[in-house]
Amino acid sequence: NAGVMQNPRHLVRRRGQEARLRCSPMKGHSHVYWYRQLPEEGLKFMVYLQKENIIDESGMPKERFSAEFPKEGPSILRIQQVVRGDSAAYFCASSLDRDNEQFFGPGTRLTVL
Amino acid sequence: DAKTTQPTSMDCAEGRAANLPCNHSTISGNEYVYWYRQIHSQGPQYIIHGLKNNETNEMASLIITEDRKSSTLILPHATLRDTAVYYCIVRVNSGYSTLTFGKGTMLLVSP
Repeated sequence: NAGVMQNPRHLVRRRGQEARLRCSPMKGHSHVYWYRQLPEEGLKFMVYLQKENIIDESGMPKERFSAEFPKEGPSILRIQQVVRGDSAAYFCASSLDRDNEQFFGPGTRLTVL
Repeated sequence: DAKTTQPTSMDCAEGRAANLPCNHSTISGNEYVYWYRQIHSQGPQYIIHGLKNNETNEMASLIITEDRKSSTLILPHATLRDTAVYYCIVRVNSGYSTLTFGKGTMLLVSP
């Protein structure tokens, strides 16, 4: 039973480029959460999605960031026109239901040059 | 969600029990206590959670005081691989509630 999968594991982008981070939840899980961990800081919630719907995006920056979880395929976190301050580890988690424990993926480490 | 307070760091000798405390004096009746850990550069790992009864699984035990204002995570026989940051989180388990990570406790297990 594969866990949460994220790819790529490492992503390097130049300022102004776009970054696309993918997350495949655990089998049977339809709830996906994205968190960001800036260097030397704790994890901060960004967005919670349930198949095709954004439930809570209160932690997501208003500009340049978007997330989706289509009916088929992985969840995507998209960052447009990246800046150096976007450099961080981005973790995805999934849960069976909104009340259940969340299981985390290995993360994507984004470096913006 | 209620706020939690944990020591910044703790040390433990390999093979001994690691007891990690957490204060959550403002916890509400419908909030659970969750523990996660994050080994360096990896994603957080779920450990255990409970409401008011003590809980045990293959990884750890969770002891919650009768007034629910504090809890202790116990790793019965710590190994070097248990070196990690341990997060204590309180969270409502009905409806929707996200996880709010604090600074956690850095547990260093030494030979």
